[in-house]
Amino acid sequence: GENVEQHPSTLSVQEGDSAVIKCTYSDSASNYFPWYKQELGKGPQLIIDIRSNVGEKKDQRIAVTLNKTAKHFSLHITETQPEDSAVYFCAASGRSSASKIIFGSGTRLSIRP
Amino acid sequence: DVKVTQSSRYLVKRTGEKVFLECVQDMDHENMFWYRQDPGLGLRLIYFSYDVKMKEKGDIPEGYSVSREKKERFSLILESASTNQTSMYLCASRPGTSGRRNTQYFGPGTRLTVL
Repeated sequence: GENVEQHPSTLSVQEGDSAVIKCTYSDSASNYFPWYKQELGKGPQLIIDIRSNVGEKKDQRIAVTLNKTAKHFSLHITETQPEDSAVYFCAASGRSSASKIIFGSGTRLSIRP
Repeated sequence: DVKVTQSSRYLVKRTGEKVFLECVQDMDHENMFWYRQDPGLGLRLIYFSYDVKMKEKGDIPEGYSVSREKKERFSLILESASTNQTSMYLCASRPGTSGRRNTQYFGPGTRLTVL
């Protein structure tokens, strides 16, 4: 069945350094790839997304890249700050608004001061 | 802003009790979802609904049922709670045909403990 694998499950980086989280997906029909951030005690919030007609998208310190051929996509956070500490989920879904979104298992990111 | 609210942040129930988790969204979204979140397992879809009175099984529907009598409200029901249903439950909604079609908006979650 459809699957999204996410690595690593935990990540600890020094404040100011970069963090990279990687995901792979199995369904070649997937064309929408959102990333969610879940802070302690809250529900996941969308932070950035990318569609299959785009290879890279950037929003301030956050960027996502997509390699459709290899079915890989990644989240890059530069100049990390303490408030970046959270659990991050990648996801993949199809074109239709009725398509299910398949989530990765999550990455717990910790920023060391 | 889209707002998805859940009736309780924390809930403690006993084995065998019937449990209702309520979710309300205020953006007239067609699609609503219930997930459970467990450490190391990510978000697993329990049930979803594309419209009023419509429901579809997700990946782990066993032990759960749902109700969608009104467009804004989606209820998750545990007919007879068991200890393995202790988890964080997240509700989400998503628009049907307009705007960012595939963006899901999540509620704050309900942490359910079954003793």
